[in-house]
Amino acid sequence: AQSVTQPDIHITVSEGASLELRCNYSYGATPYLFWYVQSPGQGLQLLLKYFSGDTLVQGIKGFEAEFKRSQSSFNLRKPSVHWSDAAEYFCAVVRVGSARQLTFGSGTQLTVLP
Amino acid sequence: DAGVIQSPRHEVTEMGQEVTLRCKPISGHNSLFWYRQTMMRGLELLIYFNNNVPIDDSGMPEDRFSAKMPNASFSTLKIQPSEPRDSAVYFCASSSRDRTKNTEAFFGQGTRLTVV
Repeated sequence: AQSVTQPDIHITVSEGASLELRCNYSYGATPYLFWYVQSPGQGLQLLLKYFSGDTLVQGIKGFEAEFKRSQSSFNLRKPSVHWSDAAEYFCAVVRVGSARQLTFGSGTQLTVLP
Repeated sequence: DAGVIQSPRHEVTEMGQEVTLRCKPISGHNSLFWYRQTMMRGLELLIYFNNNVPIDDSGMPEDRFSAKMPNASFSTLKIQPSEPRDSAVYFCASSSRDRTKNTEAFFGQGTRLTVV
């Protein structure tokens, strides 16, 4: 079965520290890959996406993610976290050729300490 | 564009009542999705439409749930009768399915449903 795994339920970092959120997928072929962010009481906002090409993708708010086919991973990174980055982050995949229905990971809650 | 618009933002209803959630997708998008978010199950796809036609409703939990898309600019998700375990945040999303262009799904702000 297709699945997305975010092994870290909750991560706490200090403001200004670097961040890496992990995401692994299990699919028969390389899917399309996404990271979404959800602030409390809000909808989901797309941070970045990977369809093909350069495996290092840049997103909004200073985030980037690297697709590693050999590890079936798409980890999200940010070199210096800001207090406003505190939110829940979801990794999601779409099967290539599908109607774009997303399969989400369980999410990682990020807390930023002052 | 105003994005995906969902209404109401919050809904509190009594068990047994009918609930209707509404969604207006982004103009020009031809795929529409309904997701449900709960603490226990996370984000799960309920149903999606392509060109107003329901393609896969295997995620709809029970016959109490139904969804329609009468035209390209409007969709509803109905729960009848509602139960406390239906309490969740329901998201609508839309995207453009085009063989020549890759687009992501854009989400509405969600409807927080509480059934008491």
